[in-house]
This record gives sequence, structure tokens and C-alpha cells, in this order.
Amino acid sequence: DIQMTQSPSSLSASVGDRVTITCRASQSISRYLNWYQQKPGRAPNLLIYAASSLQSGVPSRFSGSGSGTDFTLTISSLQPEDFATYYCEQSYSILTFGGGTKVEIK
Amino acid sequence: QITLKESGPTLVKPTQTLTLTCTFSGFSLSTSGVGVGWIRQPPGKAVEWLALIYWDDDKRYSPSLKSRLTITKDTSKDQVVLTMTNMDPVDTATYYCAHRSLRDLQSWFDPWGQGTLVTVSS
Repeated sequence: DIQMTQSPSSLSASVGDRVTITCRASQSISRYLNWYQQKPGRAPNLLIYAASSLQSGVPSRFSGSGSGTDFTLTISSLQPEDFATYYCEQSYSILTFGGGTKVEIK
Repeated sequence: QITLKESGPTLVKPTQTLTLTCTFSGFSLSTSGVGVGWIRQPPGKAVEWLALIYWDDDKRYSPSLKSRLTITKDTSKDQVVLTMTNMDPVDTATYYCAHRSLRDLQSWFDPWGQGTLVTVSS
């Protein structure tokens, strides 16, 4: 199985900060990488697919980049509604999710 | 508008079999490029993918749970059913179903159902 490792597991940030979350695959997955946002008590919501394609309706402050084994999700200017947990998912082979990154208010 | 909703028991006993139904609308599971998957999330923990079925009846399972899982579809009812045998307290989790899109070899879950909490306890 391909293991997905997210870092950090949690972070504290302020509104307006630029936030970067990293996802590393245990082997190359090309660009078969998706990002989801989950707010407390809610189901995950797709943000980015195919490493860098922004899902319709998702604010442009979210962006994704990377290929091979290293990927990043960037929030250019953190908004109050962005405090949530973020998961990466690889779809190169048998699906696996990362362990999540919780973004908290500083 | 695509919607999905999970249904099933909220409480099961250890060793019992869990049967969950995902009822969806806004798409057909006979359309090329479409799938439905199941994902679970133990309280306070990360999400874990369980199983996936595609329009052509291609089925995929998490290797760690494959021996316990069965996924089926009923296109006429717009439903997908997941069964998990030999339930254990560690299987306590919120279980989600989600629409899977497959496009140019890329695929993703969107949207997800609201989830249903299943507790395993005697």
C-alpha cells in the first residue's frame, strides 16, 4: 500500500496568514492527489483534485501543487471559515488518505 | 444536484454483521465514469477508505479489511450496500458514502453523504 504522510499534524495560525500543508507519498503517485477539508461534525469536502485543479465553488485562496511524492496545499490568506482539518488522498493505486492536518486559531 | 444518504443500524453487537445502505440521487450508477465509495472515521481520528464500486461493477476494497467487506449496487433503486462482517468495538465510527468521479484516469470523492455513526458494543 502507498502510505500518505501529512505534516504538520496540527498548526496554529492567525486570520490573514499564509498556510502550507505538506503531503508526502511513500512512492511516486504522479499527480494522483486530492485534498479535502473537514469541519467539525461535517463530512469532508473536496477542495483540490489531480494535485492542482480547484474544485468548482472553492475559493481561489486555496491552491495545490506537487507531483511524484511531494505535494502541498496552500491557503494564501487564512479566513475564519478555513479553520478545519485537511486530508490528502492518493488515487494512484488502492486509495489511501493521509492522517490529517488540523488548522487551529492562534 | 447530487445527494447521498447513509442508513443502517446505529448499534451493533460484537461479531455481528453490519449492513449499510447508501441511497443517492442526482446521478446514475450506470453512467460511465461514476462510482460510489464508503469511507469511515473513528471518533477523533482520521478518515479511512473502505470500498468502492464503479458503474461497470468494478469493485475495490481496502486490503486490510477486504476479507470482511462486500459492496454491491442496485442501479434500479439508486442504492449501494456495504456489508462488514465480524464487527468489533474498534469498528465504531462514522460511516460515509460518497460519489466518485473518474475522469482521464483521475478520480475523487465529491460530494459526500452526511455520515452515520455506528457503535459496536455488547
